[in-house]
Amino acid sequence: GAVVSQHPSWVICKSGTSVKIECRSLDFQATTMFWYRQFPKQSLMLMATSNEGSKATYEQGVEKDKFLINHASLTLSTLTVTSAHPEDSSFYICSAPRDFDYEQYFGPGTRLTVT
Amino acid sequence: GIQVEQSPPDLILQEGANSTLRCNFSDSVNNLQWFHQNPWGQLINLFYIPSGTKQNGRLSATTVATERYSLLYISSSQTTDSGVYFCAVGAAGNKLTFGGGTRVLVKP
Repeated sequence: GAVVSQHPSWVICKSGTSVKIECRSLDFQATTMFWYRQFPKQSLMLMATSNEGSKATYEQGVEKDKFLINHASLTLSTLTVTSAHPEDSSFYICSAPRDFDYEQYFGPGTRLTVT
Repeated sequence: GIQVEQSPPDLILQEGANSTLRCNFSDSVNNLQWFHQNPWGQLINLFYIPSGTKQNGRLSATTVATERYSLLYISSSQTTDSGVYFCAVGAAGNKLTFGGGTRVLVKP
């Protein structure tokens, strides 16, 4: 199956700082990647769609200036949480579909704690 | 947008028991996937099943697209089956909408 990695797996940062999370497709190319957020004991909520070579599209209610997304290559998308606050503490997960079908593969997630 | 409902929200099983998890969705889809989220948060792909029936070991799934539901069957459950099971559906743009999940606990 397809493999998606994320880095880091967990991060603790201070309020007001920025954090970058990387999502890589290791054995396939992904023109599109997706970023989700999951709060404890809740389901996954789509935040944004990352498009290689163009701007990301954000879901309603997601602040694009706070959650910066860059899809610099066919195997790498990054999510930067800018000026993080404690309410941004969450589990962030990326996914990527293979180009020849719709099945999506998920990274292992990044647990962000803002103190 | 598409609405996805999973039932039951919680399920407690004795080891060896069989169970059925249900996923209802509100519109036509071109993608339906079942996942198992392990205790570390990783989503494990169980089935990609926009229609039809598939089996993988003790797990099987059926999607009846015309009636907008999917079922996940767990047979002879084991303690390692514990965790949260998510159904997610996708339509245009390949975005996935997740159901609320079913939290399964298998007791020895």
